[in-house]
Amino acid sequence: DAGITQSPRHKVTETGTPVTLRCHQTENHRYMYWYRQDPGHGLRLIHYSYGVKDTDKGEVSDGYSVSRSKTEDFLLTLESATSSQTSVYFCAISELAGPTDTQYFGPGTRLTVL
Amino acid sequence: DQQVKQNSPSLSVQEGRISILNCDYTNSMFDYFLWYKKYPAEGPTFLISISSIKDKNEDGRFTVFLNKSAKHLSLHIVPSQPGDSAVYFCAAGTSGTYKYIFGTGTRLKVLA
Repeated sequence: DAGITQSPRHKVTETGTPVTLRCHQTENHRYMYWYRQDPGHGLRLIHYSYGVKDTDKGEVSDGYSVSRSKTEDFLLTLESATSSQTSVYFCAISELAGPTDTQYFGPGTRLTVL
Repeated sequence: DQQVKQNSPSLSVQEGRISILNCDYTNSMFDYFLWYKKYPAEGPTFLISISSIKDKNEDGRFTVFLNKSAKHLSLHIVPSQPGDSAVYFCAAGTSGTYKYIFGTGTRLKVLA
């Protein structure tokens, strides 16, 4: 199994509060991704990173920001959480770019915004 | 606009029989397709993939078929086993780009 951890695994927060989710990898892979999984929508890409300090937006980036100051860590921040951001969040990593390379997923973080 | 569609949210199959999961896409630029499997409370795991230069790829009990003219791919599992019960996501992407698009998933239940 690829060495990917996510923290916290579960979080309940209130509307308007800031939330930061952490993804940590031990594989030294260059590419990292944040997805959210919602019923009826599958997995949707929020942001991705193609190197330290290099990030770009995915399909559903509004309300989210990311940072990557080290190869191994990719942080997802909800500046002011809303109930629509209640979801399961997955981090993924890949060694190479694009669909020809497998993405390895972390165990997920279940976030509830009340 | 959903570029990758899995129109069957769920599927039940008897153990030992064939499971066929379907996926349709709309973007003709997609040239690589993947299937991922997801168990509850775990992250998705890669299952099998296919390039657009092929129309079939096989790995043990799993075979993926690609029909480019119909923009359709399918995953066949033969024989189905209870441990195959999971949510299956298809994904599609374009070589040279960083990311791919996932479908909404199909929940497969294999009945013992």
